[in-house]
Amino acid sequence: EPEVTQTPSHQVTQMGQEVILRCVPISNHLYFYWYRQILGQKVEFLVSFYNNEISEKSEIFDDQFSVERPDGSNFTLKIRSTKLEDSAMYFCASKTKGAIGNYGYTFGSGTRLTVV
Amino acid sequence: GNSVTQMEGPVTLSEEAFLTINCTYTATGYPSLFWYVQYPGEGLQLLLKATKADDKGSNKGFEATYRKETTSFHLEKGSVQVSDSAVYFCALSDYSGYSTLTFGKGTMLLVSP
Repeated sequence: EPEVTQTPSHQVTQMGQEVILRCVPISNHLYFYWYRQILGQKVEFLVSFYNNEISEKSEIFDDQFSVERPDGSNFTLKIRSTKLEDSAMYFCASKTKGAIGNYGYTFGSGTRLTVV
Repeated sequence: GNSVTQMEGPVTLSEEAFLTINCTYTATGYPSLFWYVQYPGEGLQLLLKATKADDKGSNKGFEATYRKETTSFHLEKGSVQVSDSAVYFCALSDYSGYSTLTFGKGTMLLVSP
């Protein structure tokens, strides 16, 4: 069964450093997403990406965050200058546009980011 | 805006007990509804879904029925197992081109032998 692959599974970084989280979505999917889950809290939407541009973003996704799909395969989330409160599990997801009402999200297993 | 409300956890049950995790939602239009499960140390996995009113999603013995009149999508299982211990998330996706998911806070289920 096709899956969304995220690397690394765990990353530790110092406050103020830049991090790049990587994702390989399912090859025929068209929509790409990043969500995050701070420990003990709900999963929150960060950003969606379609047709090589951001289609929607939440208030969490400020100027410190950026996404790109550099080579038609990878989908990356960059945090420019990490803060302690960026520590969370980051989930990548991809989706194909199916029949009306039939939305097929597939999530990756997540990258746990720890900012120290 | 859209929102999902789940019962607070943890829910603690003995093996073979009946499970209900309540979920209610607020959304415009006709959202699709989902239950996701997160096992310890793992990512989010789709457990079941329903895309229109009165649909019943089912998988691995779990069921949930899309009730538009009560805006609910309660998760049930007749007989839980220790291996069902996980965090369960109710979520909705509205019918828009980008269909972002709105999640509830999650309910931890602990099943003891």
